[in-house]
Amino acid sequence: IAGITQAPTSQILAAGRRMTLRCTQDMRHNAMYWYRQDLGLGLRLIHYSNTAGTTGKGEVPDGYSVSRANTDDFPLTLASAVPSQTSVYFCASSDGQGVPDTQYFGPGTRLTVL
Amino acid sequence: GQNIDQPTEMTATEGAIVQINCTYQTSGFNGLFWYQQHAGEAPTFLSYNVLDGLEEKGRFSSFLSRSKGYSYLLLKELQMKDSASYLCAVGDSNYQLIWGAGTKLIIKP
Repeated sequence: IAGITQAPTSQILAAGRRMTLRCTQDMRHNAMYWYRQDLGLGLRLIHYSNTAGTTGKGEVPDGYSVSRANTDDFPLTLASAVPSQTSVYFCASSDGQGVPDTQYFGPGTRLTVL
Repeated sequence: GQNIDQPTEMTATEGAIVQINCTYQTSGFNGLFWYQQHAGEAPTFLSYNVLDGLEEKGRFSSFLSRSKGYSYLLLKELQMKDSASYLCAVGDSNYQLIWGAGTKLIIKP
C-alpha cells in the first residue's frame, strides 16, 4: 500500500481523556504535518516535522504534542482533550526537498470531544 | 498578517466553464498550490504555480500573477464529479503552506 494511513477513522472522546491519533506513511518522505480542518476555516497547521528526530510548532499547537521517532510514523497526542478540539484532523507528508514540495494527505480522523 | 481569500461558494452548470479566484498576502512567496477536496475526503493536489502565467493540465488550468497577489483556477467542460471544495494554498518564507478556507463548487445539471 502506497500513501498515508491514519487511525482511527473517527472517535468520540470524553473531555479530559488522553488520545493519540496515528499517522504512517510509506513514501519515505522526510517531512510530515498535522492539520486540523474546521468548517469555514482553512487547514491550520498544528505541528510539523522536517525530518525524523525533529519537530516544530505550527499555527495552533496548544494542547497537542507530537513525536517523530522514525521516518514513517508521526503520532499526534491530545494530553487532555477539550471540546474545542472537536475537528477533522489530517496528516500529510512531503518529500521536503526542492520545489514544489507537494503535500500528500491521509484520509483524516474525525474527532468529537464531549 | 498572512491572508488567503477565496469565495465561499460558487455554482455552475454541467458543461460550462468556471473560474475560482484566490488573492493572497503572505510573508514571502514560495509557490501557490490548488487542491481539490470532495466532501468527507482528503485534499488532493491539482496544480502548482511559482512563475507568472498559465499552467494547463487537461480540463484544469491555473494562473498566477505575483505582482497582484492573485491566482485563479479555471475548470472547463464541467462534470458533476467536479462538485467539490477547491483549496488555495501559498508557500510562505518558511516553506509552510498557508491555506485559504476553500471554495465550495456546486455543479448543476
